[in-house]
Amino acid sequence: DAKTTQPTSMDCAEGRAANLPCNHSTISGNEYVYWYRQIHSQGPQYIIHGLKNNETNEMASLIITEDRKSSTLILPHATLRDTAVYYCIAVKWGQGGKLIFGQGTELSVKP
Amino acid sequence: DSGVTQTPKHLITATGQRVTLRCSPRSGDLSVYWYQQSLDQGLQFLIQYYNGEERAKGNILERFSAQQFPDLHSELNLSSLELGDSALYFCASSVVGGVGNEQFFGPGTRLTVL
Repeated sequence: DAKTTQPTSMDCAEGRAANLPCNHSTISGNEYVYWYRQIHSQGPQYIIHGLKNNETNEMASLIITEDRKSSTLILPHATLRDTAVYYCIAVKWGQGGKLIFGQGTELSVKP
Repeated sequence: DSGVTQTPKHLITATGQRVTLRCSPRSGDLSVYWYQQSLDQGLQFLIQYYNGEERAKGNILERFSAQQFPDLHSELNLSSLELGDSALYFCASSVVGGVGNEQFFGPGTRLTVL
């Protein structure tokens, strides 16, 4: 599975867009990019996933570069409740969907 | 509320003991995953079951075992407990398992081994 690299921590002002980067330079053609987040010690929560096209849902947008070596998760209007650890994970097709979590990015949304 | 339930919420036990953690997946989900979260190791995948069959194995110790029953609930058995087994144990479920199926996580069981 491709290794992903994320900044350890980021700050964002409430109401502004939070842009969380992820590098996955060794990603293979059959690996999807998934984002999950974990608020305090709660169970992780699915946010979004994509293969090569940009994706948007009610929670966030996912921008994947054309060469697929990096991606950005965008929370358009961050709120205090978005303070969490965000995990970018490469998931390989055909392996059951197991998630290999890295260290993630600790996002602090400040008033 | 993800729809995944885990019991118990907290468990305190002594070294050398054996415990069983229980997980009920969301209605209709066939696949169950177990993860361990400790302070030093982070979130680690342990094992996955699909419709009663083991499908994938991660960093699961030999002292640990799991199974998925015909009603699709799953149990994780931890034996000969050590201090280092203290962690949050999460169960997740998905419709089928695999890419395209988001995993829904339960609230976790916090295990403390004294």
